[in-house]
Amino acid sequence: QVQLVQSGPEVKKPGASVKVSCKASGYTFTNYFIHWVRQAPGQELEWMGILNPSGGSTSYAQKFQGRVTMARDTSTSTVYMDLSSLRSDDTAVYYCARGPLLMDLSFLAHDYWGQGTLVTVSS
Amino acid sequence: DIQLTQSPSFLSASVGDRVTITCRASQGISSYLAWYQQKPGKAPKLLIYAASTLQSGVPSRFSGSGSGTEFTLTISSLQPEDFATYYCQQLNSYPHGLTFGGGTKVEIK
Repeated sequence: QVQLVQSGPEVKKPGASVKVSCKASGYTFTNYFIHWVRQAPGQELEWMGILNPSGGSTSYAQKFQGRVTMARDTSTSTVYMDLSSLRSDDTAVYYCARGPLLMDLSFLAHDYWGQGTLVTVSS
Repeated sequence: DIQLTQSPSFLSASVGDRVTITCRASQGISSYLAWYQQKPGKAPKLLIYAASTLQSGVPSRFSGSGSGTEFTLTISSLQPEDFATYYCQQLNSYPHGLTFGGGTKVEIK
């Protein structure tokens, strides 16, 4: 069965960086984008960007440009999201989610999600 | 970026009630809209994509409609397990610039 399993919770100080991993299994890794979405406590979902596991190309939301880096390791079917210069308002649960490669109404959404990784930024 | 406005942001309803949630887009997005259900401490769960297509395994009491700028999610007969927060998402410029609505929390009356 399809699974996205994320790394464990992190506590970081302001100004530090955090790397969250998302290990995919149960499907062909290169056949789907991996998206990253975060959710601050009690807040709405916020899309951060995508990585195409086939080739490694990325696209980031403007808000995170310059602070976020996404990368993949095809040998382990794992995607990494690195967020730098952390601030207190980066405290959130970070999710990876799968999405199709094609923009096609026959299916266009995130059908599988990781369990979420809580990142706490505190001095 | 395209903005999505959900209404209401909170609603109180009873088991068996018919519930309707609205999502309005700041510009036309055709049918590139999905709906998710999220329970506390859990990842979102896909309910509907392409505005009106029910995801496999989702009960038929959930339905979606709309196109362009106005969309609705309807729960025909609210069940105890449906008390959750619901989010819409637009995918008009997929895979770039995806955005979510602010959420609608459905609580027990």
